[in-house]
Amino acid sequence: AQKVTQAQTEISVVEKEDVTLDCVYETRDTTYYLFWYKQPPSGELVFLIRRNSFDEQNEISGRYSWNFQKSTSSFNFTITASQVVDSAVYFCALSDYYNNNDMRFGAGTRLTVKP
Amino acid sequence: GAVVSQHPSRVICKSGTSVKIECRSLDFQATTMFWYRQFPKQSLMLMATSNEGSKATYEQGVEKDKFLINHASLTLSTLTVTSAHPEDSSFYICSARLASKNIQYFGAGTRLSVL
Repeated sequence: AQKVTQAQTEISVVEKEDVTLDCVYETRDTTYYLFWYKQPPSGELVFLIRRNSFDEQNEISGRYSWNFQKSTSSFNFTITASQVVDSAVYFCALSDYYNNNDMRFGAGTRLTVKP
Repeated sequence: GAVVSQHPSRVICKSGTSVKIECRSLDFQATTMFWYRQFPKQSLMLMATSNEGSKATYEQGVEKDKFLINHASLTLSTLTVTSAHPEDSSFYICSARLASKNIQYFGAGTRLSVL
C-alpha cells in the first residue's frame, strides 16, 4: 500500500528564516514518482516538482530545494529565506511510475510566514 | 506549466438541485482527468478518475449516481452533483494529467455550498 506522511501539521516562521517541510513515504513499488504541490489560500494546487525514484540528486530552484533520500524514504522540501508569499499549505504526493492515476497525498503542512 | 481551468469557482445552491462543475485543460489534451474532494484543513481525497470516451472509475465509497462524471472530449470533464444536500458542501478540485510528463495539473477548485 502507498502512504505519504507529513508529520508537521503547521509550521510558523518569521520572514527570512529557512524552513524544512518533511515528507516520508511508503511504497512497495521499486519505481515511482514523488511530488510537491503548493496550495495558497486561493485554493489552487500549484505544481512545484516531480522526482522519479531513479534520481536521487538533490534539486534547487531559486529559494526552493528538495532532498530525496531513498534510504530513509524521505523527500523533504526546504525554503530558504522564507517570504510572506510562501504562506500556504504544502502537499507531498506519491504516484505510480507508469501512470500517476493513483496519486496519494499527504495530509499537508500549513506554513505561515510572518513579516 | 500546463493550465487547467475549473468553473465555477464558487456555487451556492438549494438542497435538491443539481450542480455541474467543468474542468478544462486549456493548452494540452488530457485523456485522463481526476476529481478530488477536500474538506476544511484536510488533504485531497480522490473521488473518481475520468477517462475520455469511457466510463469514470469511482473510488470506494463514492456514489456514482450522485456524482456524475462525463469526459466527452480530450479537454473537458464535468462533474455533476445530483440532488445536492448540505453534506455535499465541500471544495471540489479537478486535475488533468499531462501524459508526456506524467504530471497532474490542478484547477483552482470549486467551493460548493448547499443550503
